[in-house]
Amino acid sequence: KAGVTQTPRYLIKTRGQQVTLSCSPISGHRSVSWYQQTPGQGLQFLFEYFSETQRNKGNFPGRFSGRQFSNSRSEMNVSTLELGDSALYLCASSWTANNEQFFGPGTRLTVL
Amino acid sequence: AQSVSQHNHHVILSEAASLELGCNYSYGGTVNLFWYVQYPGQHLQLLLKYFSGDPLVKGIKGFEAEFIKSKFSFNLRKPSVQWSDTAEYFCAVNVQGNMLTFGGGTRLMVKP
Repeated sequence: KAGVTQTPRYLIKTRGQQVTLSCSPISGHRSVSWYQQTPGQGLQFLFEYFSETQRNKGNFPGRFSGRQFSNSRSEMNVSTLELGDSALYLCASSWTANNEQFFGPGTRLTVL
Repeated sequence: AQSVSQHNHHVILSEAASLELGCNYSYGGTVNLFWYVQYPGQHLQLLLKYFSGDPLVKGIKGFEAEFIKSKFSFNLRKPSVQWSDTAEYFCAVNVQGNMLTFGGGTRLMVKP
């Protein structure tokens, strides 16, 4: 069974631009969560989607948004990029709530 | 809001030494607990999990963890580490949905 895949793996953007990251969960998994990983703040929860509905949201500004499609694939969008948005963005999927999550390799975003 | 503390940020051990990594969380209700590992250049992988039942849980690669509810702790142990255990280890708590709260991580280096 294929694991969680994320595209692209690397991105370089400039301040003010926007970016869209994509995540394909493990087949059959309906929950997709997003996390930001930085050296200073560690791993922080962004949001979780289940059956196309945002179920939980972390403490991030409204510039961070996401969505989930009917096939459970998910995208997250960051608008008006700031230097501090440079991070590894991780996607994780699971069957349902309160279950173990399987992580993808991440998208490394660099904002210049 | 819940929080997770990992007391050891960096640990250096020689092969065959025993390992114990501390993890404490702050939340008074029911929690699911996890240890994830991130090997150099690889994505986060689940080592073990605790949902309920026997507080001593065994995971992959000879790791185990003990949930002590009265101490709000979920320490990770391995009797004899190998060079291949060099990695970063993350403790995480799940209170609702699939919203993981992670500790700051512990970097383990095992000297051959």
